[in-house]
Amino acid sequence: NAGVMQNPRHLVRRRGQEARLRCSPMKGHSHVYWYRQLPEEGLKFMVYLQKENIIDESGMPKERFSAEFPKEGPSILRIQQVVRGDSAAYFCASSPRLTDTQETQYFGPGTRLLVL
Amino acid sequence: DAKTTQPTSMDCAEGRAANLPCNHSTISGNEYVYWYRQIHSQGPQYIIHGLKNNETNEMASLIITEDRKSSTLILPHATLRDTAVYYCIVRVANTGFQKLVFGTGTRLLVSP
Repeated sequence: NAGVMQNPRHLVRRRGQEARLRCSPMKGHSHVYWYRQLPEEGLKFMVYLQKENIIDESGMPKERFSAEFPKEGPSILRIQQVVRGDSAAYFCASSPRLTDTQETQYFGPGTRLLVL
Repeated sequence: DAKTTQPTSMDCAEGRAANLPCNHSTISGNEYVYWYRQIHSQGPQYIIHGLKNNETNEMASLIITEDRKSSTLILPHATLRDTAVYYCIVRVANTGFQKLVFGTGTRLLVSP
């Protein structure tokens, strides 16, 4: 998947625990996006970040979810006090900083979160 | 973003061309057509995109009608590894952010 790396690939948590999902964008990409895919459903946008900035978080649940993309290191999607409904595949995508009008997002392999 | 309509599923014989249609009758002049696919348990894979001219790359060809209200993704020689869900997405391309809105896609099954 074009070099976007996500870890862990699988994550099991018990209800009430915290989940941390990491995403390293492709080399040279400074834009990161997180999407969630519930079982048997399509991907839904969650949040868009650039280095040290959240640009659009209109798809993020209002509570327990947060995201960051620090100056150094991977982007982190953090889910506090997980519930069973958080069980899903979480995909990260990245795109380069372009000066023209086209911006293609490249996806990572995803992290599959299972909440027991 | 304009809404897209795709058939729920399609079958194709290995080695034959797979033609996947997409309707986007409300597309605007500044909206691109993007195609992604998702092979089971993997992340979505970018295939191709276009504005109004037909496009071709190493993976596929994209044919967009003259009125831009529909398009067809063509996999010229389908293989078993092309079995996947194919998503047609319309999005405005400008210097601002544009999230991808995934519909239900077309489930393509390539058989021997």
